[in-house]
Amino acid sequence: DTGVSQDPRHKITKRGQNVTFRCDPISEHNRLYWYRQTLGQGPEFLTYFQNEAQLEKSRLLSDRFSAERPKGSFSTLEIQRTEQGDSAMYLCASSVLWGPQETQYFGPGTRLLVL
Amino acid sequence: DAKTTQPPSMDCAEGRAANLPCNHSTISGNEYVYWYRQIHSQGPQYIIHGLKNNETNEMASLIITEDRKSSTLILPHATLRDTAVYYCIVRYLGTGNQFYFGTGTSLTVIP
Repeated sequence: DTGVSQDPRHKITKRGQNVTFRCDPISEHNRLYWYRQTLGQGPEFLTYFQNEAQLEKSRLLSDRFSAERPKGSFSTLEIQRTEQGDSAMYLCASSVLWGPQETQYFGPGTRLLVL
Repeated sequence: DAKTTQPPSMDCAEGRAANLPCNHSTISGNEYVYWYRQIHSQGPQYIIHGLKNNETNEMASLIITEDRKSSTLILPHATLRDTAVYYCIVRYLGTGNQFYFGTGTSLTVIP
């Protein structure tokens, strides 16, 4: 299967710990997005990359959140000093831009529970 | 930020057509309308998108009004597996190019 993959699928951590999630996009997709989804809400945009450049990060929830895409392929999202409010589903999507058209393909998500 | 309005929930009988409406009255000329769905605990799944012409693929049809202020997603023969939350999205071409999902329509297909 050549879809978007995310690892781990589930993560339980204690408050104050750091966590890192990985996303592997569809090959040849140069754009990669991170979203957060809380219960009953639609996905909320966090940040995105075009190749290795992070073009938008103002929506990251706090300075505890950071993302990288060092070689323009896979990406990582790190949350430092986790809080219970960080419990959510973290989704990754990848795409290729065709003029104004851009279809994003989503991974299965990483569900985080902070105790 | 969402730029779209959808009913929070709808029911549809199995085998019948499901018609999901969406209002996007502030859409700009070159902004596309996208539809995704999300089955419980899974990532959103792309369904279809369009600019101003009606579109059809193997999953659904998209009807966009002439003034482009609203659209309807049609699932021609709904099955139980179509039970999901359906999101209508106008891709914002400004800062970030991100999709704003809103809260979507929860469609329940009834046997």
